[in-house]
Amino acid sequence: GENVEQHPSTLSVQEGDSAVIKCTYSDSASNYFPWYKQELGKGPQLIIDIRSNVGEKKDQRIAVTLNKTAKHFSLHITETQPEDSAVYFCAAFRGNDMRFGAGTRLTVKP
Amino acid sequence: EAGVAQSPRYKIIEKRQSVAFWCNPISGHATLYWYQQILGQGPKLLIQFQNNGVVDDSQLPKDRFSAERLKGVDSTLKIQPAKLEDSAVYLCASSPGPGPGTIYFGEGSWLTVV
Repeated sequence: GENVEQHPSTLSVQEGDSAVIKCTYSDSASNYFPWYKQELGKGPQLIIDIRSNVGEKKDQRIAVTLNKTAKHFSLHITETQPEDSAVYFCAAFRGNDMRFGAGTRLTVKP
Repeated sequence: EAGVAQSPRYKIIEKRQSVAFWCNPISGHATLYWYQQILGQGPKLLIQFQNNGVVDDSQLPKDRFSAERLKGVDSTLKIQPAKLEDSAVYLCASSPGPGPGTIYFGEGSWLTVV
């Protein structure tokens, strides 16, 4: 089955700096790659996603890039704000099966 | 629109006891998922329903876990008997249909087994 590796596990940045989280996947048939943000005590919430026929997608301060050849995708957050502090999960979807990475705890220091 | 509703939010039980969690998905969503999230890990799929049929339960420990989705709407997840390693957050999620696309999560039911 699909295996998703995510790093770093923790990331601390200064407010206004950029943050980058990277994921790799093992199954070349995976075709959908969402990113979820999870705040303490809440369920994960989708923040951006990308499909395998697209190399990059941007939504305001958030962007995702996908390299199908290397089987890795990344989340980029620019101009970070304290409210971006949360745990971020990547996932890879194939067929009916979505596998999550282990998560990255992002802390944005004011 | 109302989100995915789950109850109870928190539950503490002793090992070997039983517990049940309830989920009401977003109205009209045909696909319902139960995930287990152990502290410090990503969610792991336990079972996926399409309407009231099971699509995938390959990672459900069937000797102690059971789930049903009667009438294709609400769902319950039961654990009997519970073990210490079942301590986790149980997340219910729903989507309009199967296949790649946005999955909407509830806030989760936090289980502690002592």
